[in-house]
Amino acid sequence: QVQLRESGPGLVKPSETLSLTCAVSDYSISSGYYWGWIRQPPGKGLEWIGSIYHSGSTYYNPSLKSRFTISVDTSKNLFSLKLTSVTAADTAVYYCARHQAVGATWYFDLWGRGTLVTVSS
Amino acid sequence: QSVLTQPPSVSGAPGQRVTISCTGSSSNIGAGSDVHWYQQLPGTAPKLLIYGNINRPSGVPDRFSGSKSGTSASLAITGLQAEDEADYYCQSYDSSLSGSGVFGGGTKLTVL
Repeated sequence: QVQLRESGPGLVKPSETLSLTCAVSDYSISSGYYWGWIRQPPGKGLEWIGSIYHSGSTYYNPSLKSRFTISVDTSKNLFSLKLTSVTAADTAVYYCARHQAVGATWYFDLWGRGTLVTVSS
Repeated sequence: QSVLTQPPSVSGAPGQRVTISCTGSSSNIGAGSDVHWYQQLPGTAPKLLIYGNINRPSGVPDRFSGSKSGTSASLAITGLQAEDEADYYCQSYDSSLSGSGVFGGGTKLTVL
């Protein structure tokens, strides 16, 4: 059974860089699919951040400022999210997910449990 | 302000039928992009409920169904049960701004 698990610091100081990883088990990232990050501020809705293919091709939400970087490490079977210059507005639960993307059909069929990141001094 | 518009809340009694609407525009649902639905139980991660407008992943009861017409889509839940109380999100692909996955603002379903 394919599983995704996020990991990273629960607390980050303003202006610092946030780094999260998503480990995938029981499926090789190199076999295909896109892999994405979605976040959810406390009490609010979902926001797609971006996705990466196993080859390294990336897609980002054009509505977000370019502070996000997504990378993949196929040797460790994980993908990562980096967010620079964090502010309190970046406080959210961050989810990683498997991303089905064929033409204009985009959806997320498997999700990690999520990790809460709080930005505070 | 979400790209896809959903009612903030809906409610229904056990056994009843409820529907949740999702309204988009000509750059997403109206452009032919598929609509997908997620269920988020309290304190848990979202779970795919409907994909490709009408399809249910394995394990999702047939009480849940989706439809799409024009620039809108709907999620219907029949035979409402207490465990259906959750937040529901629609999601699609928007072809503007170089393409993006977009979500609705979410609908809180309360089972009375």
